[in-house]
Amino acid sequence: GEDVEQSLFLSVREGDSSVINCTYTDSSSTYLYWYKQEPGAGLQLLTYIFSNMDMKQDQRLTVLLNKKDKHLSLRIADTQTGDSAIYFCAELTGGGNKLTFGTGTQLKVEL
Amino acid sequence: DTEVTQTPKHLVMGMTNKKSLKCEQHMGHRAMYWYKQKAKKPPELMFVYSYEKLSINESVPSRFSPECPNSSLLNLHLHALQPEDSALYLCASSQMLRGNEQFFGPGTRLTVL
Repeated sequence: GEDVEQSLFLSVREGDSSVINCTYTDSSSTYLYWYKQEPGAGLQLLTYIFSNMDMKQDQRLTVLLNKKDKHLSLRIADTQTGDSAIYFCAELTGGGNKLTFGTGTQLKVEL
Repeated sequence: DTEVTQTPKHLVMGMTNKKSLKCEQHMGHRAMYWYKQKAKKPPELMFVYSYEKLSINESVPSRFSPECPNSSLLNLHLHALQPEDSALYLCASSQMLRGNEQFFGPGTRLTVL
């Protein structure tokens, strides 16, 4: 089947904004999620958005959803070195039972 | 208690060994999941339990055998694994199926020799 696509790598300077993009596959997905994974660790749920919303803001995180283009983005304001990690988007598919993850974006924050 | 715990953190086993991975949550969640994650790849769903019953098996080989003894515990029994089964095995839980966010444990790093 189709992959949920993300760009592989993003490098930003500390204090700048980061924007991580995701193109998902299932137009009937009800929820879309962003997870963060640090090296050797499990996945940390950062935020999610319901499909009838265009935008959701949660402190430094802003999620934008374009349903027409099946495009999801995560903006991290004032990016810090502790934000360095792999970020996965995920869509709820299979009638709401399955979480399908994107290919992952490695975010590197430089001083 | 708002976390999912997994034991052991690391496991090395031979191809003839039998071992088990354990996962526990005390959030009252009724859906629990096993995922497999290879290096630099996204997690792939293996099994889903809902109300202690197997709900989804993603065509996983029978050398992986899940078990849900009660609503807080999820096990993954391993037997006759292959070296390509080496991966990070992640457990997750959610309040229920269908639209509830999943919370992940730290994973068990499995190496099959």
